[in-house]
Amino acid sequence: DAGITQSPRHKVTETGTPVTLRCHQTENHRYMYWYRQDPGHGLRLIHYSYGVKDTDKGEVSDGYSVSRSKTEDFLLTLESATSSQTSVYFCAISEGGQPAQYFGPGTRLTVT
Amino acid sequence: GDSVTQMEGPVTLSEEAFLTINCTYTATGYPSLFWYVQYPGEGLQLLLKATKADDKGSNKGFEATYRKETTSFHLEKGSVQVSDSAVYFCALVVAENFNKFYFGSGTKLNVKP
Repeated sequence: DAGITQSPRHKVTETGTPVTLRCHQTENHRYMYWYRQDPGHGLRLIHYSYGVKDTDKGEVSDGYSVSRSKTEDFLLTLESATSSQTSVYFCAISEGGQPAQYFGPGTRLTVT
Repeated sequence: GDSVTQMEGPVTLSEEAFLTINCTYTATGYPSLFWYVQYPGEGLQLLLKATKADDKGSNKGFEATYRKETTSFHLEKGSVQVSDSAVYFCALVVAENFNKFYFGSGTKLNVKP
C-alpha cells in the first residue's frame, strides 16, 4: 500500500472558520491531488500539485486553497468554511507519467 | 469531453453469484481505464487497470476487458463473496493529461450470505 496519511481523520467546525487538512506521503511522488466525495457526484478534483510550490485548480476549486512547501506534504485550506463544504476529502498521489493514482484514507469534514 | 458512465446501484447479490457492473466511457484521446474499490470508511484502492484496447485487467478474481469498439470496461467476477461488498468506481485518464482522472459516480455492491 502507498504510504499516504491524512489528518485529521474527522473534524467538525463552524461556518465561517478556516480549516486546514493535511496530506502526507512517504513515496516521494511528484503529483498530489485533493478530491471531495459527495453522494451522487463520485469524486471531484479540487486542486492538484505537480511539484513543490507548483499547483493548479481542479473542477471545484472555489473556496479552497492549497500549498505544497515540501514534496511530502500537501495542505488544503478552506478559507471560510460553509455548510456546502461538508464532505469527505481524499488525497491522492501518483508518479510522473504513470496512469494510476493512490488514495489516502480520507477526512470526514462537517461544517455546522 | 471525457467522461465515464457506470450503472446505478445498489446491486444486491447472493454469495457465489456472478457479478457484472457496467462501465462505458467517452474519451477524446487514448484512455487508460481503471476500476477502484472503496470499502466502508476507507479510501479508494486500485483494483485493476488496462492501458490499451483489448487488454484485460484482473485482480482478486475480478476482471475487466478494455473494449474500444463498444467503449466499455465492464467489471466481472464469477463468484462474489460477502467480503466483496463495497462501492466500485470506474475511471479513465487520457495519455495527454495523466493529472485529469474522470471517475464514475460509483456502484454499491451488497453481497448477502
